[in-house]
Amino acid sequence: NFMLTQPHFLSESPGKTVTISCTRSSGSIATNYVQWYQQRPGSSPTTVIYEDKQRPSGVPDRFSGSIDSSSNSASLTISGLKTEDEAVYYCQSYDDTSQVFGGGTRLTVL
Amino acid sequence: EVQLVESGGGLVQPGRSLRLSCTTSGFSFGDYALNWVRQAPGKGLEWVGFIRSKGYGGTTEYAASVKGRFTISRDDSKSIAYLQMNSLKSEDTAVYYCTSCSGGSCYAEHFRHWGQGTLVTVSA
Repeated sequence: NFMLTQPHFLSESPGKTVTISCTRSSGSIATNYVQWYQQRPGSSPTTVIYEDKQRPSGVPDRFSGSIDSSSNSASLTISGLKTEDEAVYYCQSYDDTSQVFGGGTRLTVL
Repeated sequence: EVQLVESGGGLVQPGRSLRLSCTTSGFSFGDYALNWVRQAPGKGLEWVGFIRSKGYGGTTEYAASVKGRFTISRDDSKSIAYLQMNSLKSEDTAVYYCTSCSGGSCYAEHFRHWGQGTLVTVSA
């Protein structure tokens, strides 16, 4: 099995751009898709990125995903930050028999 | 509109059992794999397990932390998934979410729809 490591906290100002990283502990990040979920306080998670870089309908194009094989990590980038983007963001991937979540990154927009 | 509604949570003593239900509507339940994901108070998301669609054998997979104690099943005729939890421990205290995968195997798929969660508290 493998682990996904995210920074615990990030903070940025409205209108700026922030990037959240997700590093895979073993095995190649490129082997299995990475998803990103947003969880606002008191709410269930929702998908903001799936299959590394795909956005579900309704998710603004301010959200983008990528992977970097050299650092074995995935990234979620949010541009033009809005206060409504304040949430915890989780990366997620899988292997043949299990699903793995990162520990979550609490993003503060202030 | 797709809906997943968890029920059956509550306060239970250590060592006892509890069964959660995930009642769904608005999609072809039988075509999709179903996951259970939990979140301990103030903590992150933890995958519990999933059941594949009948088209992928209806087989199950579990996290190491619950394997042998928890069982996931499904009733496609009722569009309901279940999580049977036995030998409960205090560390099982969490909000339990039901989520549908975007396909029938949950491999190379994402968690498309989520329920609102049900709280399970394991305490004497």
